[in-house]
Amino acid sequence: QKEVEQNSGPLSVPEGAIASLNCTYSDRVSQSFFWYRQYSGKSPELIMSIYSNGDKEDGRFTAQLNKASQYVSLLIRDSQPSDSATYLCAGPGYSSASKIIFGSGTRLSIRP
Amino acid sequence: DGGITQSPKYLFRKEGQNVTLSCEQNLNHDAMYWYRQDPGQGLRLIYYSQIVNDFQKGDIAEGYSVSREKKESFPLTVTSAQKNPTAFYLCASSIGGGHSNQPQHFGDGTRLSIL
Repeated sequence: QKEVEQNSGPLSVPEGAIASLNCTYSDRVSQSFFWYRQYSGKSPELIMSIYSNGDKEDGRFTAQLNKASQYVSLLIRDSQPSDSATYLCAGPGYSSASKIIFGSGTRLSIRP
Repeated sequence: DGGITQSPKYLFRKEGQNVTLSCEQNLNHDAMYWYRQDPGQGLRLIYYSQIVNDFQKGDIAEGYSVSREKKESFPLTVTSAQKNPTAFYLCASSIGGGHSNQPQHFGDGTRLSIL
């Protein structure tokens, strides 16, 4: 089982709707998770960090961490065409606490 | 402005040639990382370094080498032993070596192709 797993998509959402991206992980003691956005041909950009159970909101983005169920999600409200990108989930790997493990990414497409 | 600078942006390698990708950061970060990304794929860790003069192999280190002589610099050499080097190479850094609760920040990447 991969340490961090994401549905590769593509996920298609109409403009103005809520996009929901999910990530599951296999390490029960993970403390922190990160969401990155990667536009085609560009490098990943950190958009959210979450360190504790519950929700964390930043503008149109909400990250949710549920340690009991071992999943982390990213909600994007009022989706815009500029949100079309690949979203990478990342968390600590149990094989080595000194490095982050990235999921393979979910491709999100916002249709006008 | 603080950040991570990768150079060159594009690089072409001839058969049997070693090439070196540069990565410099002025964020005063202890840890630095090299990833490889193939089209439509996720990030694969090549090497990482938590502190100067120390580095560890990642998941796909064969055919690559690194050095960490200065805190700011973590160059990656793609050797002739790497038979399929065409990919997007990303360098990243984070605050604390050995602290996986800190996010990584990325440079703009280098695209390497075979001539």
